[in-house]
Formats: sequence, structure tokens, C-alpha cells
Amino acid sequence: EVQLVESGGGLVQPGESLRLSCAASGFSFSSYSMIWVRQVPGKGLEWVSYISGSGNTKYYADSVKGRFTISRDNAKNSLYLQMNSLRAEDTAVYYCTRRPNAEMDVWGKGTAVTVSS
Amino acid sequence: QSALTQPPSASGSPGQSVTISCTGTSSDVGGYNYVSWYQQHPGKAPKLMIYDVSKRPSGVPDRFSGSKSGNTASLTVSGLQAEDEADYYCSSYAGSNNYVFGTGTKVTVL
Repeated sequence: EVQLVESGGGLVQPGESLRLSCAASGFSFSSYSMIWVRQVPGKGLEWVSYISGSGNTKYYADSVKGRFTISRDNAKNSLYLQMNSLRAEDTAVYYCTRRPNAEMDVWGKGTAVTVSS
Repeated sequence: QSALTQPPSASGSPGQSVTISCTGTSSDVGGYNYVSWYQQHPGKAPKLMIYDVSKRPSGVPDRFSGSKSGNTASLTVSGLQAEDEADYYCSSYAGSNNYVFGTGTKVTVL
């Protein structure tokens, strides 16, 4: 079964850091580019970051550029999102998604991040 | 990148059809045939329903269809069923591996 499982969310104070992980299974992980998407509770979806299958190409939304870093370990079938200098507006559920072409065809259940003092 | 514009709500009775619009610009919806639609039930992760404007993933009922004209894409749900009640989001590729999502539409089955 194709599956993505996020972890690492939690409650942090503004300015602190957090690292999200996404464990992939049931497919050839290195063959797919991956995307992080977030959703503020009760609000819409926002694209956060993209990484190619090899990990060599990365893109970020302007709202997180310079603060977040996407990475992957294909040997461990894992995707990561290092989030630094967190702000209240980063509070959201973060989803790991698989990107076969231009769509996001598999989604994890998400991990919640709360940034609050 | 501004969010794509969707109506906040849409509704229909069981068996009827409902169409949701998704309006962007020539830099996203109008510039690429890479519009996708996602269904999200409360407390659940989004689910891919349509990709590449009008293609359906395996397992998605053919009651769901997509189209595009200019800078506006549309999702039509025919033969509405109770389980179709959910939030629906469009998304478009916007170049350089950037993506933009729609504002979301809550579909209610009356």
C-alpha cells in the first residue's frame, strides 16, 4: 500500500525551530518528486516546498523562503522539512505529498505545528 | 502568488449536478493544462479527484469531471451523493515548480 506518514509536529515558541519528517512506503520513493503543503485550521491549502526525486532541485514559497529547508534521504525513504525562525503564521497542519507529474496524488494524514508563546 | 478564486459554497440535491469554478490568471490556470482538484472531508487529508484539467485517477467515480476555458477551470459533480459533501480545492501549476491553490468551496448536499 502506498503510504506517507508525517511526524515531528508540536508546540513551539516564536523564533524556535522544528523538523518535520515524512516516511514513505509502498512505492519507489526516489522516483518521485515530493511537495510539502500546509493548511491553517479552518482555512485553505498552501504550497510550501518542492524537491526533485534526486534532491538536487528545491523550490520554496515566498512565505517560507530563507527559513525552511526541504531535504530527503532516499536510502531511508524519508522526506524532511527543517523549519527555523518559526512565526505564529506558520501554525498549520503540514502535509507530505507525492508529485508524479504536476499533481499531488498521495497525501499523508498531516502533522500539526503550533507556534505560540 | 495569489490564491485562485473559488466560490465559498455550492449546493445541490441528491442526483443533481453542481459545478465549481476556479479562476486564476494566464500565469497559472491559463498558462498550463495542469489544473487539479482535491476533495477534503472534515478532519481528513485532501484526496486527488481530477488532474491535468480533466483526467480522473483510478478509483474516482466518473461523476466527477473537469474542464478549462481560458483562465477559469471547472469541476462538475453529477448525480450528487451524500458522500460528495466536502470541501473542494483547485490547484494549478504556476511555473518553476510553484503551485497555487484555490480558496476552497464547501459543497453541501441538500
